Amino acid sequence: EAGVVQSPRYKIIEKKQPVAFWCNPISGHNTLYWYRQNLGQGPELLIRYENEEAVDDSQLPKDRFSAERLKGVDSTLKIQPAELGDSAVYLCASSFSGSSYEQYFGPGTRLTVT
Amino acid sequence: QKEVEQDPGPLSVPEGAIVSLNCTYSNSAFQYFMWYRQYSRKGPELLMYTYSSGNKEDGRFTAQVDKSSKYISLFIRDSQPSDSATYLCAMSEGSNYQLIWGAGTKLIIKP
Repeated sequence: EAGVVQSPRYKIIEKKQPVAFWCNPISGHNTLYWYRQNLGQGPELLIRYENEEAVDDSQLPKDRFSAERLKGVDSTLKIQPAELGDSAVYLCASSFSGSSYEQYFGPGTRLTVT
Repeated sequence: QKEVEQDPGPLSVPEGAIVSLNCTYSNSAFQYFMWYRQYSRKGPELLMYTYSSGNKEDGRFTAQVDKSSKYISLFIRDSQPSDSATYLCAMSEGSNYQLIWGAGTKLIIKP
């Protein structure tokens, strides 16, 4: 069975440019998470979806970050405009509903903002 | 003070040694305790989770939770060079709650 798929794996952009990340969760997983991970730190939750609904986006910087999960499967996370401090690894994870203790992660997208 | 504290290491041990990795926490409401392994340039991989207190064993790995001390451990027996990675602990108050993460401990197993 395929795991969580993310693309691109690496992205280098100049500050003020837009960038988008894509995630395809494990089949059957209704819950999808976007995290940001800085070097030497644990993942930080940005947003959690239950099907199409964003149920926890309290830590998403809404002035520049947006996300969507159309049809309750794939999801896209966007940053516009990017800032130098956005350089990090962006991780997508998925789980069955009500099983946040059993999350499965994709390989992440490493973003460098210059 | 962070909710979950984890020594960043690195922890370097010889192959075959028993490894002990630990996290402490401050929130007594935590019920689920997870250990993830993360290789360089990869996403975290769930090793095991424990609900409430007690021990859980899976092959060479044993997870231990002591809620009275707010302390969790992961033991790795017969450590292998392939175990070299960063180990992250995570905790949550319930089955549908946000995970609170430690910063991870970098483990190096020397051949």
